[in-house]
Amino acid sequence: EAGVVQSPRYKIIEKKQPVAFWCNPISGHNTLYWYLQNLGQGPELLIRYENEEAVDDSQLPKDRFSAERLKGVDSTLKIQPAELGDSAVYLCASSVAGATDTQYFGPGTRLTVL
Amino acid sequence: GDSVTQMEGPVTLSEEAFLTINCTYTATGYPSLFWYVQYPGEGLQLLLKATKADDKGSNKGFEATYRKETTSFHLEKGSVQVSDSAVYFCALSRQSGSRLTFGEGTQLTVNP
Repeated sequence: EAGVVQSPRYKIIEKKQPVAFWCNPISGHNTLYWYLQNLGQGPELLIRYENEEAVDDSQLPKDRFSAERLKGVDSTLKIQPAELGDSAVYLCASSVAGATDTQYFGPGTRLTVL
Repeated sequence: GDSVTQMEGPVTLSEEAFLTINCTYTATGYPSLFWYVQYPGEGLQLLLKATKADDKGSNKGFEATYRKETTSFHLEKGSVQVSDSAVYFCALSRQSGSRLTFGEGTQLTVNP
């Protein structure tokens, strides 16, 4: 069974530029999460989807971050414009709602903003 | 709010040494508790979990017991290997499917 797929794995951009990250969850997983992991710290939730609906986005900086999960499968996280402080690893995870607590993580996208 | 505190790292051990990584938590109710491991260049992988008080999670020689009275979930392994070198994260969730709250992670290096 394929795991959570994320792309790109690495991204380097200039500040004020836009950037987008893509996530394909494990087949059949209806809950999808985006986490932010700063260097030397644990991940923190940005947004959680149940199917197409964002059910927990309280930690998403909505002035510059946006996310979508069309058709309840793939998801895209966007930053516009990027700031130096956005340099971090962006992790996507998925799980089967109601069946287990286990969240399965992708390899992440490492963003560097210059 | 919920929080997880891990012992300060990094931890460096010799092969076959005993490992303990401390984890304590603050949360209302009865959260589920997890240990995730992150190998270099890879995503987080679930190592073990426990969903109620006094449960013991175990996997690959690692163990952790959910202690409600001390709000702890310490990770232990009797004999570490070089291949165990990674970053270990303790985490909790309030209910199935909800956000994970992570500790800051503990870097473990095992030398031959």
